[in-house]
Amino acid sequence: ETGVTQTPRHLVMGMTNKKSLKCEQHLGHNAMYWYKQSAKKPLELMFVYNFKEQTENNSVPSRFSPECPNSSHLFLHLHTLQPEDSALYLCASSQDKASGGNEQFFGPGTRLTVL
Amino acid sequence: AQKITQTQPGMFVQEKEAVTLDCTYDTSDQSYGLFWYKQPSSGEMIFLIYQGSYDEQNATEGRYSLNFQKARKSANLVISASQLGDSAMYFCAMREETGFQKLVFGTGTRLLVSP
Repeated sequence: ETGVTQTPRHLVMGMTNKKSLKCEQHLGHNAMYWYKQSAKKPLELMFVYNFKEQTENNSVPSRFSPECPNSSHLFLHLHTLQPEDSALYLCASSQDKASGGNEQFFGPGTRLTVL
Repeated sequence: AQKITQTQPGMFVQEKEAVTLDCTYDTSDQSYGLFWYKQPSSGEMIFLIYQGSYDEQNATEGRYSLNFQKARKSANLVISASQLGDSAMYFCAMREETGFQKLVFGTGTRLLVSP
């Protein structure tokens, strides 16, 4: 596997379910990100992890719970979601700027539908 | 607060012609980075080109060039010799250079290349 991978690619869940999204980067980066992409809205940054530490939480509801066990893996735990949470969830990674990093590399996304 | 504006929801171009996708930005930072990403229907965000605010020359990457006009706060993407595979959503993004690498995205422009 190369680049940034995300599983599952598609997920349908009820409002009472608990599920998790997984992201893995094979680029040796030290920063990872979760974005939400809803229809006709700009990408919204949700969380940033730098060296496994959360450095940004963009006022995300507590029904979204991130986890970063190491610099290569990032999870987004989902529980009691609402239909308006249906969106494409994109994971990205980068080298931090202090280490000479520049662009963020994105995974293919998980298309989430909440019924 | 930083803001990216893409005023063209959709653009059409014929194969082999050049096309310009508009992007204007607003920031009070003196140091910032500007990015363009391509998102095909598969969902993955693909990095195209980067321009630093202190770069004196316009960035170029193959068929992509960035027309950077700092005084006008514009960073338009020029695609030369369009190909059918260029049909996709295109997003302009800005990164603040202070703090961590938070990207702010525009709403995107859908480009359709016709034969």
